[in-house]
Amino acid sequence: EAGVAQSPRYKIIEKRQSVAFWCNPISGHATLYWYQQILGQGPKLLIQFQNNGVVDDSQLPKDRFSAERLKGVDSTLKIQPAKLEDSAVYLCASSPHQVHHGYTFGSGTRLTVV
Amino acid sequence: TQLLEQSPQFLSIQEGENLTVYCNSSSVFSSLQWYRQEPGEGPVLLVTVVTGGEVKKLKRLTFQFGDARKDSSLHITAAQPGDTGLYLCAGAGAGNNRKLIWGLGTSLAVNP
Repeated sequence: EAGVAQSPRYKIIEKRQSVAFWCNPISGHATLYWYQQILGQGPKLLIQFQNNGVVDDSQLPKDRFSAERLKGVDSTLKIQPAKLEDSAVYLCASSPHQVHHGYTFGSGTRLTVV
Repeated sequence: TQLLEQSPQFLSIQEGENLTVYCNSSSVFSSLQWYRQEPGEGPVLLVTVVTGGEVKKLKRLTFQFGDARKDSSLHITAAQPGDTGLYLCAGAGAGNNRKLIWGLGTSLAVNP
């Protein structure tokens, strides 16, 4: 089966600019996650969607981050305006309904804010 | 707040050596997953353990879930350079929409 697709792979922007990331999960996976990963650390959940509804966005900095999953398939994550501390890898993952099945991650988008 | 502590944080060994990575918590998890992440890629699921005391083997990798479902270990026998990467454990709490709690990872380097 095709994996989780993310784009772009790399993005360099100046602080205060805007940026958007795109994710297409595995077909049929109801749950989609956006994670932020600082180099060498574990992923930090930003937002979890179940179909097109938000299940958990408690760690999403809502003053600058937004995400949507229209039609319950692909998703976009936006940062506006970006700060230097937003430099990280943004990972998208999807899973079937039951978390025991584990997550399938995309390759991520490496964001550098200068 | 559920926390997962991984140790060691960093490990550098020679090819052929054995190693064990630990994942510990004071909380009980319904399941625990191990992932390996290579530079520039997303984490890849290695195994999910569900039952207390469960042992799963994946070639040279042996995973164990503690009897109380609070801790887990990953043992690698005769490590190879291809085992190099960041090893992450993640525990699933109770409830239907279970959020994974992630450890900070163990960065393993296997030198030829």
